[in-house]
Amino acid sequence: NAGVMQNPRHLVRRRGQEARLRCSPMKGHSHVYWYRQLPEEGLKFMVYLQKENIIDESGMPKERFSAEFPKEGPSILRIQQVVRGDSAAYFCASSPPGLDGFYEQYFGPGTRLTVT
Amino acid sequence: DAKTTQPPSMDCAEGRAANLPCNHSTISGNEYVYWYRQIHSQGPQYIIHGLKNNETNEMASLIITEDRKSSTLILPHATLRDTAVYYCIVRVGAGTASKLTFGTGTRLQVTL
Repeated sequence: NAGVMQNPRHLVRRRGQEARLRCSPMKGHSHVYWYRQLPEEGLKFMVYLQKENIIDESGMPKERFSAEFPKEGPSILRIQQVVRGDSAAYFCASSPPGLDGFYEQYFGPGTRLTVT
Repeated sequence: DAKTTQPPSMDCAEGRAANLPCNHSTISGNEYVYWYRQIHSQGPQYIIHGLKNNETNEMASLIITEDRKSSTLILPHATLRDTAVYYCIVRVGAGTASKLTFGTGTRLQVTL
């Protein structure tokens, strides 16, 4: 069973461009979470999605950031008009439907975004 | 979710037990203690979780005090590959999916 996959692993964008980060959850997992880690800081929650639904977006910046998890295909985190402050590692995690109630989260390797 | 307090850093000799403390004095009755670690900027890795009983798996043991206000993660025989930042997280466990709130964690350095 393959783990959580993220691509690209490294992404370089110029200021003002768009960044699209992809996350394929583990097989059978229907919950996806996105976290951001700024240099030398801990991970910060951004958004939690289930298929076709945003459940909790309390950590998402109000502007330029959006996320989706369509019925088919990977989850996408989209950052429009990137600025240097968006440079960070973005981690995706997935969890199973919670048959045992614990919703354990499994993390991907991350996408490192550099804005020049 | 309850707030946790961890020492910023610890050292441990290879082969010895590493005991990582965590304070969570405001923990609620339905909140679990989770431990994750992050090795050199990789994605965090789940280690163990518990409610009030001590727990053990192939990676570690978790000791939770009777009043549940603190816990200790024990790596019984630390190796160099255990060098990482360890995060203690308290969150509602069974019955609901929710975000993980990471603090600053404990940076464990395992040395020869």
